[in-house]
Amino acid sequence: GNSVTQMEGPVTLSEEAFLTINCTYTATGYPSLFWYVQYPGEGLQLLLKATKADDKGSNKGFEATYRKETTSFHLEKGSVQVSDSAVYFCALSDEAAGNKLTFGGGTRVLVKP
Amino acid sequence: DVKVTQSSRYLVKRTGEKVFLECVQDMDHENMFWYRQDPGLGLRLIYFSYDVKMKEKGDIPEGYSVSREKKERFSLILESASTNQTSMYLCASSLQRFSNQPQHFGDGTRLSIL
Repeated sequence: GNSVTQMEGPVTLSEEAFLTINCTYTATGYPSLFWYVQYPGEGLQLLLKATKADDKGSNKGFEATYRKETTSFHLEKGSVQVSDSAVYFCALSDEAAGNKLTFGGGTRVLVKP
Repeated sequence: DVKVTQSSRYLVKRTGEKVFLECVQDMDHENMFWYRQDPGLGLRLIYFSYDVKMKEKGDIPEGYSVSREKKERFSLILESASTNQTSMYLCASSLQRFSNQPQHFGDGTRLSIL
């Protein structure tokens, strides 16, 4: 079956530091990959997506590249802000699974001033 | 932008009550989903639906049922609420069954069962 593994948190950073959250996946088909962000007390928001190998998704300064050879989709941001403090979820959607999402466990990020 | 609206942000109910959680989406999406989110357990799929009057069990359907009488509305029902159903409930929708389009989430309902 499909699975997503992402690094456990919490990740604590200072403002303007570089952020990387590792995500690897296992899928039987050709999945689309997503990063979602959850701010305190809120639902999940789509942060970025990539639908095929070598695609790069980007949004709000965050980037992730779909690497089929390493089955990875690592999230990066060059200079974080306090407002980036949130929980980040890596997820995949496989057409063969009918568009159901498989989530990683989530990584809590805390950015300190 | 897609808007997924959950009827309540916070809800407190008593053990044994029948509880309805409502979700409405405004983008004519075919797929709708209900998850619960618990610390240390992540997001778990309860039920989903690919069309009106259609439902399928997710990973943890026990103690829940759903209703989809109209395309835009997907209701989660706790038949007889129990304390272990205290959780954050998230509704989501997506375009079509085999499209691999992203799911769009509501703000969640934090449900407490006393």
